[in-house]
Amino acid sequence: KAGVTQTPRYLIKTRGQQVTLSCSPISGHRSVSWYQQTPGQGLQFLFEYFSETQRNKGNFPGRFSGRQFSNSRSEMNVSTLELGDSALYLCASRLTRNEQYFGPGTRLTVT
Amino acid sequence: KQEVTQIPAALSVPEGENLVLNCSFTDSAIYNLQWFRQDPGKGLTSLLLIQSSQREQTSGRLNASLDKSSGRSTLYIAASQPGDSATYLCAAQTQGGSEKLVFGKGTKLTVNP
Repeated sequence: KAGVTQTPRYLIKTRGQQVTLSCSPISGHRSVSWYQQTPGQGLQFLFEYFSETQRNKGNFPGRFSGRQFSNSRSEMNVSTLELGDSALYLCASRLTRNEQYFGPGTRLTVT
Repeated sequence: KQEVTQIPAALSVPEGENLVLNCSFTDSAIYNLQWFRQDPGKGLTSLLLIQSSQREQTSGRLNASLDKSSGRSTLYIAASQPGDSATYLCAAQTQGGSEKLVFGKGTKLTVNP
């Protein structure tokens, strides 16, 4: 069974631009969560989607948004990029409340 | 609000040594606790998941324990190898509706040949 896939793997953007990241969960997993990882703050929860509905949201500004499609694939969008948005963005999928499986991440660099 | 702490932040040991990584959490109302491994610049690899009703889980040379009453979990690695060098993260999933994982900052393990 294929694991969680994320595209693109690397991105370089300029301040003020917007970016869209994509995540495909493991087949059959309907829950997708997004996390931001930075050296200073560690891993922080962004949001979780289940059956196309956002169920939980972390403490991030409204510039961070996401959505989930009927095939469970998810996208997250960051608008008006800031230097502090440079991070590794990780997506995870799971089946019910069991083990979470993470993708390889998207490394975003904002210059 | 759940807070997860991992001590030490870094650990260096000689190959073959048995070692213990510590994880503590402030809210004992957890669904489960999960241990991950992260290699530099990579995603997270799940190592062990302990449900709140369990006391421990084992996989190969790894053994994780959970003590909800004291808010602690440990990851025991037997006969460490250089390939075990990585950052180890623990994460708690708390009860109360939110499905999010709250992560510790991790322990960076170096196993020297």
